[in-house]
Formats: sequence, C-alpha cells, structure tokens
Amino acid sequence: NAGVTQTPKFQVLKTGQSMTLQCAQDMNHNSMYWYRQDPGMGLRLIYYSASEGTTDKGEVPNGYNVSRLNKREFSLRLESAAPSQTSVYFCASSETRLEKLFFGSGTQLSVL
Amino acid sequence: DQQVKQNSPSLSVQEGRISILNCDYTNSMFDYFLWYKKYPAEGPTFLISISSIKDKNEDGRFTVFLNKSAKHLSLHIVPSQPGDSAVYFCAASPTNTGNQFYFGTGTSLTVIP
Repeated sequence: NAGVTQTPKFQVLKTGQSMTLQCAQDMNHNSMYWYRQDPGMGLRLIYYSASEGTTDKGEVPNGYNVSRLNKREFSLRLESAAPSQTSVYFCASSETRLEKLFFGSGTQLSVL
Repeated sequence: DQQVKQNSPSLSVQEGRISILNCDYTNSMFDYFLWYKKYPAEGPTFLISISSIKDKNEDGRFTVFLNKSAKHLSLHIVPSQPGDSAVYFCAASPTNTGNQFYFGTGTSLTVIP
C-alpha cells in the first residue's frame, strides 16, 4: 500500500522561483494537511483541507497556496520562494478531521 | 508560542530498560493527544493516542499516561529495543474548538544495545 505519496523528495530553488509540491493519498481519506518541520520548532501546520472542496490556513500560511484538486490530491505551491522557506515539508491525511494522521516521507526543500 | 513542549531534546537508554519520554502542554482545551515516531528520511508514523477521558492507554510495549491537572503526558516504552531509536513527537488537539494538531519539538531516543 502506497499510503501518502509526496513528490519530489528533494528540491533546490533559487530565491524568487516558484514550485509546486504534490501529494496524493490512496486511503480514501477526507482530510489532508501540509506541515513543515524546522529544527527546534517541531511540525507546524501550513494549510489543511478538512474535506474535498475546502481549504483553511494553519499556523504558518504566509508565502504558500494550496489546491485540493480532488479527494486524493492536495498540492502546495510556493509562488516566490524565500530562504526562510528552506525546510522539510510533510503531507498528511486523516480519515476525518482530527483523526490520527498518516504522513508522507517528506520533501527536503532548500532555497538559496 | 509553543503550546506543546518536549523539554528533553535527547534521551539514551540501555536495551531492556524503560524509556520515559515527557510532554507538557499549556492549552487547557487540548483533549486528544497522540505520539508519533520518526526515523531519519521518513515521515512520522502514529504510535499511540489518548483522550482526556482516560489517564492511561496501553498498546504492547507502549503506554501513554495523561495527567490533566499537571497538563503533562508521558510515553513509557518497556522493554526498550534498539529498533525504538528514533525521534518521538507528541501532538495535541482541542477537538471541540479547533481543527489542527499542535506538535512538540521532538525527543531523540537512542537505545544502546
């Protein structure tokens, strides 16, 4: 079982470039999330989608946009990357809101 | 401001002994708590959870204890095994009033053979 699949695994960007992180889940989950992990900060929620067709801001949404393309897919877009967005990004899903989360393996993003 | 705190960045334990990982929270509205385990280059995986109506939940070698008055939870691993070496995150949510989990900063556990 694939679970939650994120692409790419690694990415290096220059300041000002844009990119989209892709996430797909095959567990028929309703809720999907994007987190970032930084040293000494734990995991912080960027955006979430409680159900297909809805998206909401989390703790640290500035500089990001999301799209819940369908029930399976939830993408995260950086329109103009900044060095402060250097981080490890995790996508997660859950059956419903605030059920246990299933995480992807992460995307290591460096912005130079 | 960090609402969920794991004040020990690292912990080393001998194989076979008990590992105790601690977590404190500040928001009295938190009523659902989870522990996750993370290996390098992998995403966190769910370990065990507890709701505020309980003070203990057990699953095999893993037990989570919740002390609501102290706003403190702990994860006990008995006996500890080398494969338990990983980073452990606690997470909390206010299920009636919120829409997200708040994560601690993690504790890196090393089990020495």
